[in-house]
Amino acid sequence: KNQVEQSPQSLIILEGKNCTLQCNYTVSPFSNLRWYKQDTGRGPVSLTIMTFSENTKSNGRYTATLDADTKQSSLHITASQLSDSASYICVVSEGNTGGFKTIFGAGTRLFVKA
Amino acid sequence: DAGVTQSPTHLIKTRGQQVTLRCSPKSGHDTVSWYQQALGQGPQFIFQYYEEEERQRGNFPDRFSGHQFPNYSSELNVNALLLGDSALYLCASSRRDTQYFGPGTRLTVL
Repeated sequence: KNQVEQSPQSLIILEGKNCTLQCNYTVSPFSNLRWYKQDTGRGPVSLTIMTFSENTKSNGRYTATLDADTKQSSLHITASQLSDSASYICVVSEGNTGGFKTIFGAGTRLFVKA
Repeated sequence: DAGVTQSPTHLIKTRGQQVTLRCSPKSGHDTVSWYQQALGQGPQFIFQYYEEEERQRGNFPDRFSGHQFPNYSSELNVNALLLGDSALYLCASSRRDTQYFGPGTRLTVL
Protein backbone atom coordinates (compact mmCIF):
# COMPACT_ATOMS: atom_id res chain seq x y z
CA LYS A 1 0.00 0.00 0.00
CA ASN A 2 1.33 3.42 -0.94
CA GLN A 3 1.97 5.46 2.18
CA VAL A 4 3.69 8.62 3.29
CA GLU A 5 4.77 8.86 6.92
CA GLN A 6 6.10 11.97 8.58
CA SER A 7 7.95 12.51 11.80
CA PRO A 8 7.86 13.97 14.29
CA GLN A 9 4.13 14.54 14.61
CA SER A 10 4.82 17.88 16.28
CA LEU A 11 7.85 19.91 17.20
CA ILE A 12 8.55 22.94 19.38
CA ILE A 13 11.70 24.99 18.80
CA LEU A 14 13.00 28.38 19.82
CA GLU A 15 13.16 31.21 17.36
CA GLY A 16 16.48 31.27 15.53
CA LYS A 17 17.12 27.55 15.89
CA ASN A 18 17.30 25.03 13.04
CA CYS A 19 15.14 21.95 12.67
CA THR A 20 14.72 18.96 10.38
CA LEU A 21 11.48 17.24 9.48
CA GLN A 22 11.39 13.71 8.10
CA CYS A 23 9.31 11.99 5.45
CA ASN A 24 9.40 8.28 4.56
CA TYR A 25 7.37 6.91 1.71
CA THR A 26 6.53 3.63 0.07
CA VAL A 27 4.96 5.07 -3.07
CA SER A 28 5.79 3.25 -6.25
CA PRO A 29 6.26 4.08 -9.03
CA PHE A 30 7.60 7.40 -7.83
CA SER A 31 6.98 10.61 -9.74
CA ASN A 32 7.90 13.47 -7.47
CA LEU A 33 7.97 14.60 -3.86
CA ARG A 34 6.79 17.95 -2.63
CA TRP A 35 6.90 19.77 0.66
CA TYR A 36 4.09 22.16 1.53
CA LYS A 37 3.62 24.65 4.33
CA GLN A 38 0.10 24.99 5.64
CA ASP A 39 -1.03 27.65 8.06
CA THR A 40 -4.02 26.71 10.19
CA GLY A 41 -7.26 26.85 8.21
CA ARG A 42 -5.50 27.83 5.00
CA GLY A 43 -4.56 26.02 1.83
CA PRO A 44 -1.08 24.45 1.54
CA VAL A 45 1.65 26.48 -0.13
CA SER A 46 4.35 24.72 -2.10
CA LEU A 47 7.90 24.98 -0.77
CA THR A 48 9.86 22.54 -2.93
CA ILE A 49 9.35 19.85 -5.53
CA MET A 50 11.87 17.15 -6.37
CA THR A 51 11.92 14.47 -9.01
CA PHE A 52 13.77 11.17 -8.92
CA SER A 53 17.05 12.64 -10.15
CA GLU A 54 17.19 15.51 -7.68
CA ASN A 55 18.58 15.01 -4.19
CA THR A 56 18.44 18.54 -2.82
CA LYS A 57 16.50 21.70 -3.44
CA SER A 58 16.42 24.98 -1.56
CA ASN A 59 13.86 27.72 -1.19
CA GLY A 60 15.23 30.46 1.01
CA ARG A 61 15.65 29.08 4.51
CA TYR A 62 14.02 25.79 3.49
CA THR A 63 16.19 22.98 2.11
CA ALA A 64 14.70 19.66 1.08
CA THR A 65 16.66 16.49 0.47
CA LEU A 66 15.60 13.30 -1.25
CA ASP A 67 17.12 9.83 -1.14
CA ALA A 68 15.19 7.86 -3.73
CA ASP A 69 17.02 4.64 -2.83
CA THR A 70 15.90 4.65 0.79
CA LYS A 71 12.68 6.51 -0.04
CA GLN A 72 13.35 9.20 2.50
CA SER A 73 13.14 12.97 2.38
CA SER A 74 13.87 15.69 4.87
CA LEU A 75 13.00 19.35 5.14
CA HIS A 76 15.57 21.48 6.95
CA ILE A 77 14.55 24.89 8.23
CA THR A 78 17.38 27.27 9.04
CA ALA A 79 17.24 30.16 11.52
CA SER A 80 13.56 29.61 12.29
CA GLN A 81 11.16 32.52 12.58
CA LEU A 82 7.86 32.84 14.42
CA SER A 83 6.13 32.84 11.04
CA ASP A 84 7.46 29.34 10.38
CA SER A 85 4.88 28.03 12.85
CA ALA A 86 2.66 25.88 10.65
CA SER A 87 2.08 22.34 9.47
CA TYR A 88 4.57 20.96 6.97
CA ILE A 89 3.18 18.33 4.67
CA CYS A 90 5.12 15.85 2.56
CA VAL A 91 3.33 14.82 -0.63
CA VAL A 92 4.41 12.07 -2.98
CA SER A 93 3.02 11.64 -6.47
CA GLU A 94 2.59 8.15 -7.87
CA GLY A 95 3.25 7.25 -11.46
CA ASN A 96 4.86 9.09 -14.30
CA THR A 97 1.93 10.63 -16.08
CA GLY A 98 1.88 13.86 -14.16
CA GLY A 99 -1.80 13.39 -13.97
CA PHE A 100 -0.88 11.85 -10.77
CA LYS A 101 -2.28 10.18 -7.84
CA THR A 102 -0.96 12.04 -4.86
CA ILE A 103 -0.48 10.68 -1.36
CA PHE A 104 -0.29 13.14 1.49
CA GLY A 105 1.50 12.67 4.76
CA ALA A 106 -0.32 13.67 7.94
CA GLY A 107 2.08 16.56 8.41
CA THR A 108 4.43 17.79 11.12
CA ARG A 109 3.10 20.58 13.27
CA LEU A 110 5.91 23.05 14.00
CA PHE A 111 5.68 25.60 16.79
CA VAL A 112 8.34 28.31 16.90
CA LYS A 113 8.51 30.15 20.21
CA ALA A 114 10.17 33.46 21.01
CA ASP B 1 -3.21 36.38 -11.55
CA ALA B 2 -5.61 35.65 -8.70
CA GLY B 3 -4.32 32.14 -8.17
CA VAL B 4 -6.76 29.44 -7.12
CA THR B 5 -9.95 30.80 -5.62
CA GLN B 6 -12.67 28.97 -3.72
CA SER B 7 -16.12 29.90 -2.56
CA PRO B 8 -17.64 30.17 -0.11
CA THR B 9 -15.02 30.63 2.59
CA HIS B 10 -17.18 29.15 5.31
CA LEU B 11 -20.41 27.20 5.23
CA ILE B 12 -22.70 25.74 7.86
CA LYS B 13 -25.19 23.01 6.96
CA THR B 14 -27.31 20.49 8.81
CA ARG B 15 -27.30 16.74 8.46
CA GLY B 16 -29.04 15.46 5.34
CA GLN B 17 -28.62 18.68 3.39
CA GLN B 18 -26.70 19.07 0.16
CA VAL B 19 -23.81 21.44 -0.50
CA THR B 20 -21.96 22.77 -3.53
CA LEU B 21 -18.46 24.16 -3.30
CA ARG B 22 -16.80 26.07 -6.11
CA CYS B 23 -13.26 26.42 -7.37
CA SER B 24 -11.64 28.61 -10.00
CA PRO B 25 -8.22 27.37 -11.07
CA LYS B 26 -5.06 29.38 -11.56
CA SER B 27 -4.82 30.91 -15.01
CA GLY B 28 -3.50 28.41 -17.53
CA HIS B 29 -4.27 25.37 -15.40
CA ASP B 30 -6.50 22.68 -16.84
CA THR B 31 -6.64 20.13 -14.02
CA VAL B 32 -8.55 20.49 -10.77
CA SER B 33 -8.29 18.20 -7.77
CA TRP B 34 -10.42 18.21 -4.64
CA TYR B 35 -9.29 17.21 -1.17
CA GLN B 36 -10.95 16.82 2.22
CA GLN B 37 -8.90 17.75 5.26
CA ALA B 38 -10.19 16.91 8.71
CA LEU B 39 -8.82 18.86 11.62
CA GLY B 40 -5.29 17.82 12.45
CA GLN B 41 -5.06 15.47 9.47
CA GLY B 42 -3.44 15.63 6.07
CA PRO B 43 -5.61 16.23 3.01
CA GLN B 44 -7.40 13.19 1.59
CA PHE B 45 -7.80 13.00 -2.18
CA ILE B 46 -11.43 13.03 -3.34
CA PHE B 47 -11.17 13.22 -7.12
CA GLN B 48 -9.51 14.97 -10.02
CA TYR B 49 -11.01 16.55 -13.12
CA TYR B 50 -9.38 17.06 -16.47
CA GLU B 51 -11.07 18.08 -19.70
CA GLU B 52 -14.44 18.07 -17.94
CA GLU B 53 -14.15 14.43 -16.91
CA GLU B 54 -13.35 12.73 -13.64
CA ARG B 55 -9.92 11.25 -14.21
CA GLN B 56 -9.10 9.77 -10.82
CA ARG B 57 -11.06 9.16 -7.67
CA GLY B 58 -10.10 8.52 -4.08
CA ASN B 59 -11.91 6.39 -1.55
CA PHE B 60 -15.01 8.54 -1.14
CA PRO B 61 -18.66 7.46 -1.46
CA ASP B 62 -20.91 8.41 -4.34
CA ARG B 63 -22.40 11.17 -2.19
CA PHE B 64 -19.37 13.12 -3.33
CA SER B 65 -19.64 14.20 -6.94
CA GLY B 66 -18.13 16.90 -9.06
CA HIS B 67 -18.10 18.71 -12.29
CA GLN B 68 -15.64 20.66 -14.39
CA PHE B 69 -16.78 23.37 -16.76
CA PRO B 70 -15.30 24.35 -20.13
CA ASN B 71 -13.47 27.25 -18.46
CA TYR B 72 -11.80 24.65 -16.16
CA SER B 73 -13.60 25.84 -13.04
CA SER B 74 -15.03 23.07 -10.92
CA GLU B 75 -17.71 22.23 -8.39
CA LEU B 76 -17.78 19.71 -5.60
CA ASN B 77 -21.20 18.46 -4.54
CA VAL B 78 -21.89 16.53 -1.40
CA ASN B 79 -25.33 15.01 -0.83
CA ALA B 80 -26.95 13.74 2.36
CA LEU B 81 -24.42 15.45 4.57
CA LEU B 82 -23.12 13.64 7.63
CA LEU B 83 -21.51 15.10 10.72
CA GLY B 84 -18.25 13.50 9.60
CA ASP B 85 -18.24 15.57 6.43
CA SER B 86 -17.24 18.58 8.50
CA ALA B 87 -13.79 19.52 7.21
CA LEU B 88 -11.72 21.95 5.20
CA TYR B 89 -12.27 21.26 1.51
CA LEU B 90 -9.30 22.17 -0.63
CA CYS B 91 -9.18 22.65 -4.34
CA ALA B 92 -5.88 22.43 -6.19
CA SER B 93 -5.24 23.30 -9.81
CA SER B 94 -2.35 22.24 -11.96
CA ARG B 95 -1.02 21.98 -15.46
CA ARG B 96 1.26 18.98 -15.64
CA ASP B 97 3.08 18.82 -12.33
CA THR B 98 2.93 21.26 -9.45
CA GLN B 99 -0.38 21.79 -7.73
CA TYR B 100 -1.42 25.17 -6.41
CA PHE B 101 -3.95 25.09 -3.62
CA GLY B 102 -6.80 27.42 -2.94
CA PRO B 103 -7.54 28.80 0.53
CA GLY B 104 -10.19 26.15 1.14
CA THR B 105 -13.82 26.11 2.18
CA ARG B 106 -14.55 25.32 5.81
CA LEU B 107 -17.70 23.18 5.97
CA THR B 108 -19.41 22.60 9.29
CA VAL B 109 -22.24 20.08 9.48
CA LEU B 110 -24.48 20.37 12.52
